[in-house]
Amino acid sequence: AQSVTQLGSHVSVSEGALVLLRCNYSSSVPPYLFWYVQYPNQGLQLLLKYTSAATLVKGINGFEAEFKKSETSFHLTKPSAHMSDAAEYFCAVTRALGNQGGKLIFGQGTELSVKP
Amino acid sequence: EAGVAQSPRYKIIEKRQSVAFWCNPISGHATLYWYQQILGQGPKLLIQFQNNGVVDDSQLPKDRFSAERLKGVDSTLKIQPAKLEDSAVYLCASSLGGATNEKLFFGSGTQLSVL
Repeated sequence: AQSVTQLGSHVSVSEGALVLLRCNYSSSVPPYLFWYVQYPNQGLQLLLKYTSAATLVKGINGFEAEFKKSETSFHLTKPSAHMSDAAEYFCAVTRALGNQGGKLIFGQGTELSVKP
Repeated sequence: EAGVAQSPRYKIIEKRQSVAFWCNPISGHATLYWYQQILGQGPKLLIQFQNNGVVDDSQLPKDRFSAERLKGVDSTLKIQPAKLEDSAVYLCASSLGGATNEKLFFGSGTQLSVL
């Protein structure tokens, strides 16, 4: 069964520093993987998704993630953190529902804090 | 483009009371999802509709939770009777067709507190 594990429930970085949020997946078939972001009092929005076209995926707001099959990882990075990046980040994998598409399974989330 | 609309934004009830949440998805989106997000956890799928049919409700506590999507557009999620452990944010999301690699659009959620 597909699942994701996010390492670290809270990450704190200084403004301008590298952001690295870790996600490992478990899947018996090639997975579809996603990163969603949730700003305070808002719904989740898609940052980026991996659908097997390219292992390095670029998303919005300068974020990117690399799919590494050998490590079963899909870590999210950003070279330089901004104060506006402070939010909760969720890694997710799709579990297929036969011929009726799939359902999204979320990790437990990582809260990113950015210090001035 | 209008987003996913949810109401109410907040709800406080006592245990054993009933409560209902409403969701209006993005126009033209065939697939609608209800997620439960307990504080400190990731969202958990409760039920997924494709038009007005249920695709997956394996994690819906059917003894107390019910959901419907009449005419394949709006949806309501009901809890009766509520328990303390139902305190959570209830998120509604929609997508165009429900394909495995499709982007979901989320509403801002309804925050439920059960006292």
